[in-house]
Amino acid sequence: GAVVSQHPSRVICKSGTSVKIECRSLDFQATTMFWYRQFPKKSLMLMATSNEGSKATYEQGVEKDKFLINHASLTLSTLTVTSAHPEDSSFYICSATVAGRFQETQYFGPGTRLLVL
Amino acid sequence: DAKTTQPTSMDCAEGRAANLPCNHSTISGNEYVYWYRQIHSQGPQYIIHGLKNNETNEMASLIITEDRKSSTLILPHATLRDTAVYYCIVRVANTGNQFYFGTGTSLTVIP
Repeated sequence: GAVVSQHPSRVICKSGTSVKIECRSLDFQATTMFWYRQFPKKSLMLMATSNEGSKATYEQGVEKDKFLINHASLTLSTLTVTSAHPEDSSFYICSATVAGRFQETQYFGPGTRLLVL
Repeated sequence: DAKTTQPTSMDCAEGRAANLPCNHSTISGNEYVYWYRQIHSQGPQYIIHGLKNNETNEMASLIITEDRKSSTLILPHATLRDTAVYYCIVRVANTGNQFYFGTGTSLTVIP
């Protein structure tokens, strides 16, 4: 199957700083990537859909100015949590799909655990 | 919004088959049934998907009822490493279409 990586795997930052999380498709080109967040013992919540070369589409209730998404290439999408606060502490997961062989399936990255102090 | 309902938790003895049910009574004709699992603190792992025919791969079997309103994921010989949360998702198969996760079933495989 397709491989999706995320970097960093975990990050600790101070309140008020910004944190960037990278999502890469390693062996395929991803036309669409998705970003999720997950709180402890809860299910994944879709935050936004990221299409290469265009603006991301955010789910209702997700602040686009808070969570900046850039999908500059077919293998890389980034999520920047701006002016992070303790309530932004969560597990952030990306996924990717590709037209063609894997077009029906999303493949997920290993996740990034963010802790804001 | 998630369009599936699953039991909150299930236990299964190691070496036995694990049968995980999922109800999706409002599924549309062009929606597939997908199964993923998530082991603690990892990203979800794709298991299998199908439209109306039963499907089997190296990980599991997917049985979809004729009316497509429910399905069952079968892990034929559960191992301790199969302990995870299993998510059933319905979705139109298209690269741009989102996955909306429900609460899933927490499967515990017991030695």
